[in-house]
Amino acid sequence: NAGVTQTPKFRVLKTGQSMTLLCAQDMNHEYMYWYRQDPGMGLRLIHYSVGEGTTAKGEVPDGYNVSRLKKQNFLLGLESAAPSQTSVYFCASGRGQGSGYTFGSGTRLTVV
Amino acid sequence: RKEVEQDPGPFNVPEGATVAFNCTYSNSASQSFFWYRQDCRKEPKLLMSVYSSGNEDGRFTAQLNRASQYISLLIRDSKLSDSATYLCVVSPTDSWGKLQFGAGTQVVVTP
Repeated sequence: NAGVTQTPKFRVLKTGQSMTLLCAQDMNHEYMYWYRQDPGMGLRLIHYSVGEGTTAKGEVPDGYNVSRLKKQNFLLGLESAAPSQTSVYFCASGRGQGSGYTFGSGTRLTVV
Repeated sequence: RKEVEQDPGPFNVPEGATVAFNCTYSNSASQSFFWYRQDCRKEPKLLMSVYSSGNEDGRFTAQLNRASQYISLLIRDSKLSDSATYLCVVSPTDSWGKLQFGAGTQVVVTP
C-alpha cells in the first residue's frame, strides 16, 4: 500500500524553467492538496482539489497551476520558476472535513 | 496575526520527563483539531486527533479548550525517539477539508 507518492524527490531548476510535480494516491481519497513548507512559516496551501476535474486556489497560488484529470493524480506546475519558489513541496490527500491527511514524502525544489 | 500559533521552542527535555506545550487558534468556528509530528526533512504524520473531551494515546494526551481557543499536547515518560517537531493543525468549518498548520514546536529529548 503506497499511500501518497510524489515525484521527483529532488530538483534543481534555473530561473524561468518550467516543471511539473506529480502526486499519486491509491487510497481513493476525494480531496487532494499541495502545500509548500518554508523555514519558520509552517505549511502553506497552494492549491487543492475536492474531486476529479476540480481545482481551487489556496493561500499562496500565484506562480503555480494544477490539474486533477484523474482522481488518483494531482499535478502541480511551475510555468516560469523563480528563486522565491525554492521550497519543500508536500502533497496530501484526505477524506475531507473532520479527517486528517496523509502526506507524500515531499519534493525539495531549488531554483537558482 | 497567524491563524494557528505555536511556541517554536526548542523544548529540551530529559529522557523520562514530561513535557507539555500549547497552540492557539484564531477562528472560533474551527471544528477539527489534530497534532502532527514531523521529523527532520520528512513529511508530517498524523499523531492524534483532538476531541472536545480530551483524549489519550499511550504516553500522549491532547486537550482542547474552546473557550480560550487553544489545544495542548502532553508527552509523558519522554523517549529519545520523541524528538521531533510537533505541528498543531486546525480545520475551519468551511474548509473543504483544508487544514491550517502551525509552524511547529520543536522537542529535543536528551539522554
